Amino acid sequence: AQSVTQLDSQVPVFEEAPVELRCNYSSSVSVYLFWYVQYPNQGLQLLLKYLSGSTLVKGINGFEAEFNKSQTSFHLRKPSVHISDTAEYFCAVRLNYGGSQGNLIFGKGTKLSVKP
Amino acid sequence: KAGVTQTPRYLIKTRGQQVTLSCSPISGHRSVSWYQQTPGQGLQFLFEYFSETQRNKGNFPGRFSGRQFSNSRSEMNVSTLELGDSALYLCASSAAGRSLQETQYFGPGTRLLVL
Repeated sequence: AQSVTQLDSQVPVFEEAPVELRCNYSSSVSVYLFWYVQYPNQGLQLLLKYLSGSTLVKGINGFEAEFNKSQTSFHLRKPSVHISDTAEYFCAVRLNYGGSQGNLIFGKGTKLSVKP
Repeated sequence: KAGVTQTPRYLIKTRGQQVTLSCSPISGHRSVSWYQQTPGQGLQFLFEYFSETQRNKGNFPGRFSGRQFSNSRSEMNVSTLELGDSALYLCASSAAGRSLQETQYFGPGTRLLVL
């Protein structure tokens, strides 16, 4: 069965420190990969996505992620976090069966808490 | 361009009642998907509509239903509400709904509390 695992449910970090949020997936078909962020009482906002090509993807707000096919991972990184990055982050995949439809399959989320 | 809007934002119902939630996609978007978010189960896919037709459905009971209108606006309905239906219901739209590479844009959600 296809699944997405976010290895850390909570990540506390000090302001200006680097952070890595880990995501692994399992799938028998190729996938498209996404990271979304959810601020309190809001919907989800796309940070970045990997479709094909370069395995290092840059997104908004200084975030980047690297797709590693052999390790089936798509970890999210930021070299220096701000208080405003405090939010919940979701990794998601869409399974590529060759058609045009397919829902997002989400991980359980990682709550990033940035402390001053 | 206005984002995805959902109404109402908050809703309180009692067990056994039914509820209808509304979603207006980004102008020009034709695909609308619904997701349920709970602390225990996380984000789970409910269904997707494209050109007024449901073309994908998640693993939810038949009490959950939806529809899409010709202007791409969508509604979802939950009948015979149960306590476990308390959740944040998120709607997402994408432009043409013809490629898995399209970004899904999410609305702010409707928070439903069932008492």
